[in-house]
Amino acid sequence: KAGVTQTPRYLIKTRGQQVTLSCSPISGHRSVSWYQQTPGQGLQFLFEYFSETQRNKGNFPGRFSGRQFSNSRSEMNVSTLELGDSALYLCASSEFGSGNTDTQYFGPGTRLTVL
Amino acid sequence: AQSVTQLGSHVSVSEGALVLLRCNYSSSVPPYLFWYVQYPNQGLQLLLKYTTGATLVKGINGFEAEFKKSETSFHLTKPSAHMSDAAEYFCAVSLSGGYQKVTFGTGTKLQVIP
Repeated sequence: KAGVTQTPRYLIKTRGQQVTLSCSPISGHRSVSWYQQTPGQGLQFLFEYFSETQRNKGNFPGRFSGRQFSNSRSEMNVSTLELGDSALYLCASSEFGSGNTDTQYFGPGTRLTVL
Repeated sequence: AQSVTQLGSHVSVSEGALVLLRCNYSSSVPPYLFWYVQYPNQGLQLLLKYTTGATLVKGINGFEAEFKKSETSFHLTKPSAHMSDAAEYFCAVSLSGGYQKVTFGTGTKLQVIP
């Protein structure tokens, strides 16, 4: 099976712009979780989608949003970008959901740089 | 609520020496515990996980971890370090019961000296 894919791999934006990142999970996986990874804050959970519904949400402002399509592909959107949004954004897929006993499989990430 | 603390942001070992990466957790209910590895410019890969049952968990690449409830610890070990083990390692915890988010530690970068 193909692994988790994320597009684009690298992105440069300026403050105030918005950005959309895409994640294609492993075939058959219905759960997609998003994480933000920065040197200062480490890995922080953004949200999880399962069968097109947001099931868990982390402590991020409303500028961060996401959605999941019927084919389980997911997108996350960040509006009004700030310098502090520069990070590696990781997507992870699993069959039944994050945490619990289910194994998450991570994509390579999208490196977002905000200038 | 749950949290995880990794002691030591950087650990250096000689090739062939024991690898010990420390992780302590805090959880209000029985936890599920994970160790992930991240190589440069890549996503995370699951090394091993503890859910229930045997407290000594064996993972990939010769790594293992022991769940010690009395010490609230889940330290990662490998008897003999290999150059290819150089990477960043993350301990993570989630709560049992239902679909809970995973909370990650801040990571430990492992350097292997030839």
